[in-house]
Amino acid sequence: DAGVTQSPTHLIKTRGQQVTLRCSPKSGHDTVSWYQQALGQGPQFIFQYYEEEERQRGNFPDRFSGHQYPNYSSELNVNALLLGDSALYLCASKEQRNEQFFGPGTRLTVL
Amino acid sequence: TQLLEQSPQFLSIQEGENLTVYCNSSSVFSSLQWYRQEPGEGPVLLVTVVTGGEVKKLKRLTFQFGDARKDSSLHITAAQPGDTGLYLCAARKDFGNEKLTFGTGTRLTIIP
Repeated sequence: DAGVTQSPTHLIKTRGQQVTLRCSPKSGHDTVSWYQQALGQGPQFIFQYYEEEERQRGNFPDRFSGHQYPNYSSELNVNALLLGDSALYLCASKEQRNEQFFGPGTRLTVL
Repeated sequence: TQLLEQSPQFLSIQEGENLTVYCNSSSVFSSLQWYRQEPGEGPVLLVTVVTGGEVKKLKRLTFQFGDARKDSSLHITAAQPGDTGLYLCAARKDFGNEKLTFGTGTRLTIIP
């Protein structure tokens, strides 16, 4: 049983560009959350998706958007990239009230 | 904005020693979790504590939730090189609140 998977593993973009990161949840999980982890910091909650809708959102600008598909996979989109968006982006999945499991993350570098 | 502060930020000790790391806040939480994260990987859940004063043990790791549910500690006995990693505490303010707030982390290095 595969755990949470994320793609790509690493990504380099330039300021102003747009990026899409992908997440496949653990089998049986229907809820996906996204986190941003800057170097040397703890993860920060971006938003959570359940039943293809954004259920809760952290303190991130509208440049950060997401989507969840009927198969529960999810995408994180970031527009107009800034240097400060460079971070490890983590996806976590869970089934309803159970604990969540994290993927290995996508390392985004903005030049 | 609730803030979880962890201390120390960095800790480097010899194999076999004991250590304690702390997670503190001015806010009350419904539950608190501890994670360990290794380079190139996502955080892995170690334990969840819910009740004030609760103590949980996981082999050589002992976790305690403060009586007022504002703070927590993680004690490791006879540290081993495999304990090396970034230890993160994370908490939810309310039951049913999906937002998980993480602490700043303690980077632990165990020297063989």
